[in-house]
Amino acid sequence: QQQVKQSPQSLIVQKGGISIINCAYENTAFDYFPWYQQFPGKGPALLIAIRPDVSEKKEGRFTISFNKSAKQFSLHIMDSQPGDSATYFCAASYAGKSTFGDGTTLTVKP
Amino acid sequence: EAQVTQNPRYLITVTGKKLTVTCSQNMNHEYMSWYRQDPGLGLRQIYYSMNVEVTDKGDVPEGYKVSRKEKRNFPLILESPSPNQTSLYFCASSHPQETQYFGPGTRLLVL
Repeated sequence: QQQVKQSPQSLIVQKGGISIINCAYENTAFDYFPWYQQFPGKGPALLIAIRPDVSEKKEGRFTISFNKSAKQFSLHIMDSQPGDSATYFCAASYAGKSTFGDGTTLTVKP
Repeated sequence: EAQVTQNPRYLITVTGKKLTVTCSQNMNHEYMSWYRQDPGLGLRQIYYSMNVEVTDKGDVPEGYKVSRKEKRNFPLILESPSPNQTSLYFCASSHPQETQYFGPGTRLLVL
């Protein structure tokens, strides 16, 4: 049973556009929701994270929107750049246990 | 430099030959985890540890063992590797309810 569902699987955006990736979770015990960025040959690295007592968090061009009642959260990348081309993973965790989405491959066209 | 290190980075072995992948962190993190990453399946948690001598199963623990005798180290043991354990493995560490820091990965091929 997959506890975190991520969509879309792949995304192509023009430079300067907005990239949106969505995730849905099932377990209401999750209390930490990070997004990770992974480049080929590298380990995942934290992009931005949110806790369920907050509905939105913004850091530079990256924004997380969190809807606790719908059990959904999303990543918005504003002014997408070719350097943002990578695989993005959402995750949900509590008490050391973490579940990741299957990932979204983002390609930003110049 | 704060980091998570894994060794070896690449490993080719044969079915049934016991192996250990080491993981060490220098950030005094309480939590440590092992993940495997397979194409199209994201990262799946194998085992995690909330502190010394405290370990628990993740989503895909079959065929793996771990131990946490020291806070900084969290080795992953494959007692009898099989080809379906061919994968890319990541170790990660964190403070409770904070971001995980991932190691560089270990690419394992079991023939």
